Amino acid sequence: DTEVTQTPKHLVMGMTNKKSLKCEQHMGHRAMYWYKQKAKKPPELMFVYSYEKLSINESVPSRFSPECPNSSLLNLHLHALQPEDSALYLCASSQESGGVQPQHFGDGTRLSIL
Amino acid sequence: AQSVTQLDSQVPVFEEAPVELRCNYSSSVSVYLFWYVQYPNQGLQLLLKYLSGSTLVKGINGFEAEFNKSQTSFHLRKPSVHISDTAEYFCALDTGRRALTFGSGTRLQVQP
Repeated sequence: DTEVTQTPKHLVMGMTNKKSLKCEQHMGHRAMYWYKQKAKKPPELMFVYSYEKLSINESVPSRFSPECPNSSLLNLHLHALQPEDSALYLCASSQESGGVQPQHFGDGTRLSIL
Repeated sequence: AQSVTQLDSQVPVFEEAPVELRCNYSSSVSVYLFWYVQYPNQGLQLLLKYLSGSTLVKGINGFEAEFNKSQTSFHLRKPSVHISDTAEYFCALDTGRRALTFGSGTRLQVQP
């Protein structure tokens, strides 16, 4: 069982819609991540939050807006997406102290843009 | 800049045979290395990690990997595979930036 929970599992939206992806973990991790994974490709980092503050933005278009309201939750707000944004969106979390720690992934949200 | 290369996109193997999935990396700074497995319609599950210490790392499900700094490699091995090991395997590195760089993945296909 995954300890990082992502909702919804599937999302279909039009290009003019606004929706949000949600991620929750209760492992006490203070680093959280969003990745995008296209079919048959490796995950690509989008954002990193450390202690609820955005620390890395990998030049992601502004139609993707991350939010970390508290240490357990991570959201990704979506607006005016393009068909090429259809992908599996993965959330991960890790400990933030004691050097580099492994990231724990959720099962993802499969997003389809019509 | 750092990079990870997984030369084999697919590795077919018979059940109970040994397998090695190859991973090479490039980095001008110290690296921390990971192997993840992804089953269909699921997220990534950590198999094992090399952070420091012993270069031979044992992970879950009978997998192990050896960190070789001189050859910049971190190959994954299992002495006897099962049908249930069929999945996509990703090698990844972190240079301390808290950002994983993934290889392109290797599809392990275990045949009966």
